[in-house]
Amino acid sequence: KAGVTQTPRYLIKTRGQQVTLSCSPISGHRSVSWYQQTPGQGLQFLFEYFSETQRNKGNFPGRFSGRQFSNSRSEMNVSTLELGDSALYLCASSLGDGTEQYFGPGTRLTVT
Amino acid sequence: AQSVTQLGSHVSVSEGALVLLRCNYSSSVPPYLFWYVQYPNQGLQLLLKYTTGATLVKGINGFEAEFKKSETSFHLTKPSAHMSDAAEYFCAVSDLGNTDKLIFGTGTRLQVFP
Repeated sequence: KAGVTQTPRYLIKTRGQQVTLSCSPISGHRSVSWYQQTPGQGLQFLFEYFSETQRNKGNFPGRFSGRQFSNSRSEMNVSTLELGDSALYLCASSLGDGTEQYFGPGTRLTVT
Repeated sequence: AQSVTQLGSHVSVSEGALVLLRCNYSSSVPPYLFWYVQYPNQGLQLLLKYTTGATLVKGINGFEAEFKKSETSFHLTKPSAHMSDAAEYFCAVSDLGNTDKLIFGTGTRLQVFP
């Protein structure tokens, strides 16, 4: 069974630009969650989508948004990038019952 | 709100020695608890989890953890460390009422010396 895939793996953007990250969950998984990992703040929950609906949201500004498609693939978008948005963005998929999430390798975003 | 505290940002052990990584949580109801491992430049891999039932849970790579409600702890142990265990370890708790939202601890970097 293929694992969670994230594209791209590395990204360099300039302040003020926007970026879209993609996540393909494990086949059969209907829930996709996104996390931001930084040295200063650690691992923080961004949002969760289940069957195309946002089910949970973390404490991030509105510049961070996401969506989920009918095939469970998910995208997250960050608009008006700031230097502080530089981070590893991790996607996780699950059946949506809270018992186990499988993480992708992450997308390393660098904002200059 | 639930929270997780990992005591010790760095732990060093000799190969073959006991590994003990500490995790305490705060929750007013029995939570779901998880330990994840992260190797450099990789995502998170689930080591083990506690949801319900037996309080001593066994995971991959010889790791185990015990849920102790009275101590609000979920410490991770391994009887004999291996060089390949060197990585960062994260304890996490599920945010009850929100199924897949995980609250993570700050992580513990494990070093294993030959």
